[in-house]
Formats: sequence, structure tokens, C-alpha cells
Amino acid sequence: EAQVTQNPRYLITVTGKKLTVTCSQNMNHEYMSWYRQDPGLGLRQIYYSMNVEVTDKGDVPEGYKVSRKEKRNFPLILESPSPNQTSLYFCASSLWPNNEQFFGPGTRLTVL
Amino acid sequence: AQKITQTQPGMFVQEKEAVTLDCTYDTSDPSYGLFWYKQPSSGEMIFLIYQGSYDQQNATEGRYSLNFQKARKSANLVISASQLGDSAMYFCAMREINTGTASKLTFGTGTRLQVTL
Repeated sequence: EAQVTQNPRYLITVTGKKLTVTCSQNMNHEYMSWYRQDPGLGLRQIYYSMNVEVTDKGDVPEGYKVSRKEKRNFPLILESPSPNQTSLYFCASSLWPNNEQFFGPGTRLTVL
Repeated sequence: AQKITQTQPGMFVQEKEAVTLDCTYDTSDPSYGLFWYKQPSSGEMIFLIYQGSYDQQNATEGRYSLNFQKARKSANLVISASQLGDSAMYFCAMREINTGTASKLTFGTGTRLQVTL
């Protein structure tokens, strides 16, 4: 089954404790993105990747890192999480150029 | 400048009626794509429909159709024969093809649709 998977689905952590949210897709898509969703703001892009070893900043990259060592995986790293990073996070992948983005199920992160 | 505007925070519609969710956009790129996604209370993002800027006809997918008015820069979603399961948040999104950010979707703030009996 074609899908984007994210882990964990739910995470509660404390300020400053490094964490990684994994994202994997099995559709051989070149493009992958991370979004955060906050009430009243819709989804905002954090980082995206056009291919292996090619990543770039989206609209809200501060406090986040990503890597793309393999085509299928695109982890999101929070080196020192803060409460303002409490949010619902989505990973997505797509082909180029006018194709839909397939979204993962979301990761709800709470930083205390 | 906000590129996608959804002016209706919430909408109500009776079951079996049609409803239009508004979306306007702003871009100087002549080549772009417009998307609508549905987010039910369970949280997942479900792709509904796509319209390319050069498509001559309005996109349709089952009960969903996109009323694309290019000159007015609007891409309204029309849901016909509403069902209770249509109750969800709906997001309009745009991808600009020639700006170098084609992998990015810019989202509106969403419209929450409630279908009533």
C-alpha cells in the first residue's frame, strides 16, 4: 500500500530534550516536506527536500533540522525543543510538478 | 502577502444540499496548481481535487468540483449532495511551478464545514 508513515504519532516531551520525528514513504517520490499545523494558521512548511542530500528551508525553519540521506526517509529533528514548537506535524511527499502531496498521519507534539 | 485566502472560518449546510467553500489566491506565476484537502476530526489530510492554471475545464471528482475563475483568482470548492461524513476542515492550497519553490504547498487557514440533518 502506497503510504507515508510517521513516528511517533503522539509525543510529550520537556524543553531542551532533543527529539526526532521519522518520516518514510514507499512511493519513490523525490519531493518530501514537513509542515506544522497550528489553529487559525493552516499548515506552514518547515523544510522541504527535492532529492537525496538536497534540502531547503520553508516558511518556519527556526528550531528545526532535517536530513535526506535516503530517498524514502526524511526525519525532522528538534535539537532543543521549546513550548512554542507544540504543534501537529505532517510529513508529505510528491512527484514533480503538478501532483498531489501525500500526507502522513501526523505527529502531535507537546513540549512542556 | 497572504497567498491563499479562505474567508469563511465556518459553514453549515443541510444534508443533501450543495455548498461552496471559497478560496482566493494571489500569484504572479502564470503556472500554478490549486488543491483542496479535507481534514476530518481524526486529523489526516485527504486530497480531494486539483486544478492546473492552464486547465481549460473545471476539475471534478465525484461530488467535488472546483469552480475555477482565473481572472478573479478564485478556486472555490463545490460539494454537491452533502453528507454527514463531509463534516470536516477544508483547506485550499497552491503550488507555484516557476518560482523555484514548486515542492511547497501554501495553505489557507481553512474552513470548518458542519453538515446538519
